[in-house]
Amino acid sequence: EAEVAQSPRYKITEKSQAVAFWCDPISGHATLYWYRQILGQGPELLVQFQDESVVDDSQLPKDRFSAERLKGVDSTLKIQPAELGDSAMYLCASSFRMNTEAFFGQGTRLTVV
Amino acid sequence: QKEVEQDPGPLSVPEGAIVSLNCTYSNSAFQYFMWYRQYSRKGPELLMYTYSSGNKEDGRFTAQVDKSSKYISLFIRDSQPSDSATYLCADVGGTSYGKLTFGQGTILTVHP
Repeated sequence: EAEVAQSPRYKITEKSQAVAFWCDPISGHATLYWYRQILGQGPELLVQFQDESVVDDSQLPKDRFSAERLKGVDSTLKIQPAELGDSAMYLCASSFRMNTEAFFGQGTRLTVV
Repeated sequence: QKEVEQDPGPLSVPEGAIVSLNCTYSNSAFQYFMWYRQYSRKGPELLMYTYSSGNKEDGRFTAQVDKSSKYISLFIRDSQPSDSATYLCADVGGTSYGKLTFGQGTILTVHP
């Protein structure tokens, strides 16, 4: 069964270090999302891609976060420098196109110490 | 006001009970609705996807949408301990690119 792949599953990093997360969406899915989920809350959108283009990054803290999807397939989310408040689950999701079912990966749990 | 409000729970029910999970939304441009189940430390798993008012059934799960009241519900029949999880409602639309907006989640515990 096709699924969204994310790595790493867990990451512990020190404050002020750089960290990167990778996502490989379901094959053929044009829309890719990165969400951040704080424990006990619903996921909040960081960035949405349509193919290789960003369609929404309004909630992405652009002073420290960056995201790319260069060939319109897999994607990388980077944080530099990491802060204690960045500790959360980072989720990637994909959908065939906009307004269709979105499927999530298992997430990357980030702990900043 | 959040665009999607979800009854926070937590909810605790005995095995076999019917569970009702509810969300309201404020943006009338929302067109599509999804329910996800999320086990602890896992990614959300899609349970139901619907886009019209009325009911949609899949096994023990029924999704209900009332666009006139901006109200969506998920019913679980014959609940099982394995249904214990956080349930998230999500709405799609409101923008030209189909933004996916989540409620805060309801924690459900089904005890034997």
